Amino acid sequence: QSVLTQPPSASGTPGQRVNISCPGSSSNIGNNAVSWYQHVPGKAPRLLIYSNNRRPSGVPDRFSGSRSGTSASLAISGLQSEDEADYYCTAWDGSLSAYVFGTGTKVTVL
Amino acid sequence: QEQLVESGGGLVVAGGSLRLSCVASGFTFGDYYMSWIRQAPGKGLEWISYISSEAGATSKFYAASVQGRFTISRDRAKNSLYLDMNNVRVDDTAIYYCARGRWEVLFDLWGQGTLVTVSS
Repeated sequence: QSVLTQPPSASGTPGQRVNISCPGSSSNIGNNAVSWYQHVPGKAPRLLIYSNNRRPSGVPDRFSGSRSGTSASLAISGLQSEDEADYYCTAWDGSLSAYVFGTGTKVTVL
Repeated sequence: QEQLVESGGGLVVAGGSLRLSCVASGFTFGDYYMSWIRQAPGKGLEWISYISSEAGATSKFYAASVQGRFTISRDRAKNSLYLDMNNVRVDDTAIYYCARGRWEVLFDLWGQGTLVTVSS
């Protein structure tokens, strides 16, 4: 059972902006960096954001991350059809001595 | 080309054992910490184990769901990561991925996964 509860779904039309929240606590997001992953079923997950708001090379700047207090969020602007996927946040949890993944958010492009 | 390739998955009876392998290529394996992450059918991603890089003392961490049953290890000479799975349960059925990290860049490269099915 994940300690990071994401909304199960989010949607938008092409070109719109979608935001995904990832609320946590002081044992995880509040004191440790957040990463975000895109996962298309049948493929390997892809790192989108690390250290709360940094993008690896090759990730479009349409994807942005932020953290405030014990909560993090991922924004996808200029939504495209290829953005349809599951999105997960993750952070180290000092109380559990474990990485914790969010429950995942399925993004649908209408 | 940087790559991680998992193998060793298959069908195993509950209570049995299995060893998963993950072979790294195209990068200096010893510089990276590694993890195993799984996805059960219809479920989300679940981190299960971590092992530190080859620099310094080795540290290992496990999720509560596998603590005491699974063991993570690595072999620098073979550029390989392992997961020894003992006393497996039906709810261990999942696709198992290996992933690497370095400094603050967490899980930036993943394998394609290997499927483990545990029957009762």
